[in-house]
Amino acid sequence: GDSVTQMEGPVTLSEEAFLTINCTYTATGYPSLFWYVQYPGEGLQLLLKATKADDKGSNKGFEATYRKETTSFHLEKGSVQVSDSAVYFCALSPRNTGFQKLVFGTGTRLLVSP
Amino acid sequence: NAGVTQTPKFQVLKTGQSMTLQCAQDMNHEYMSWYRQDPGMGLRLIHYSVGAGITDQGEVPNGYNVSRSTTEDFPLRLLSAAPSQTSVYFCASSRAGVAEAFFGQGTRLTVV
Repeated sequence: GDSVTQMEGPVTLSEEAFLTINCTYTATGYPSLFWYVQYPGEGLQLLLKATKADDKGSNKGFEATYRKETTSFHLEKGSVQVSDSAVYFCALSPRNTGFQKLVFGTGTRLLVSP
Repeated sequence: NAGVTQTPKFQVLKTGQSMTLQCAQDMNHEYMSWYRQDPGMGLRLIHYSVGAGITDQGEVPNGYNVSRSTTEDFPLRLLSAAPSQTSVYFCASSRAGVAEAFFGQGTRLTVV
């Protein structure tokens, strides 16, 4: 079945460091790919998305590129801030479900220190 | 700007008790779904609905019931709570055919 694998955390960085969180997926066909972020005590918020191969999603300085050949959707940010501390979830939506369902990775906690 | 509203935020149940987690959205979204979040397992889909009167099972439906009588509401019922149902529950909604889901703030449920 469809699945998402992302790197285990926590990822601990100093402010202004470069961030990469790896995400790979297994799916039939061409799913849509997402990164969601969960701040402490809150629900998930969509951070960025990509719906076809080679698309780049971007938001708030974060970027991820849909790589069909490596089935990956790695999250990157050039300079993290303390306010970026949160849990990040990679997810896919199988195309044949009409975006009804999301399949999530296990989440990666990011801790940014001043 | 209410979005997706879940109640209650916290709940403690005894084994065997029943309860309903409430979820309401004011965005006129067709799709609604329930997920549970457990440590080390991400979020897993319990049940989902593509419109009023239509529901279907997700990955982990056992022990839960849902119904969708209106577009706005999608309650999740625990018929006989078990310790294995201790989790954080999230309700989500989305517009049909649009790849973005909006989540509620979650309900933290503990079954003792």
